[in-house]
Amino acid sequence: EAAVTQSPRNKVAVTGGKVTLSCNQTNNHNNMYWYRQDTGHGLRLIHYSYGAGSTEKGDIPDGYKASRPSQENFSLILELATPSQTSVYFCASGASSYEQYFGPGTRLTVL
Amino acid sequence: GDSVTQTEGLVTLTEGLPVMLNCTYQTIYSNPFLFWYVQHLNESPRLLLKSFTDNKRTEHQGFHATLHKSSSSFHLQKSSAQLSDSALYYCALSRSNNRIFFGDGTQLVVKP
Repeated sequence: EAAVTQSPRNKVAVTGGKVTLSCNQTNNHNNMYWYRQDTGHGLRLIHYSYGAGSTEKGDIPDGYKASRPSQENFSLILELATPSQTSVYFCASGASSYEQYFGPGTRLTVL
Repeated sequence: GDSVTQTEGLVTLTEGLPVMLNCTYQTIYSNPFLFWYVQHLNESPRLLLKSFTDNKRTEHQGFHATLHKSSSSFHLQKSSAQLSDSALYYCALSRSNNRIFFGDGTQLVVKP
């Protein structure tokens, strides 16, 4: 089974600060995804990537940037964090669109 | 565009009763993949079952679903709910563009 890890697992940030969430996968999947999960909204796609060097906008990309420097790593960057970005963030990977493997999640609180 | 609708935000039922969680979808793609993901408390979502074959029942871990393209539905069912089935269930859709569209989720609570 795919192994997807995320760091940090918990993060408290201040409004206006920069936050970087990291994701690593060890199963050589081409596709990686960043979601946020909020009660009542389910899983919403922020950014995704088809491979190293590529990033694509998902459904709610505003306020977020993504970086895919290698096959294994996919980062989500909040340049100017706001309280509305307080959420649980999941990274996922997959060899195709037909199944995704999720990491354990990062709980981000922006004060 | 592509979308998935789960009409129930919360389903509460008694252990031993049957489970049915509704899922309908919209897509212009004629051969979509449909999925059910399950997320237990403090865990991450994981795939429960998937299908792309019209009118064929798919089963896993006691749950089953049948893709009906005529009605654009993929309802999740189980004959007898267990306490351990309490979780958040997501219906999802994909086609060939490497992303999955998730519904808003249905919280299933099974009581003794």
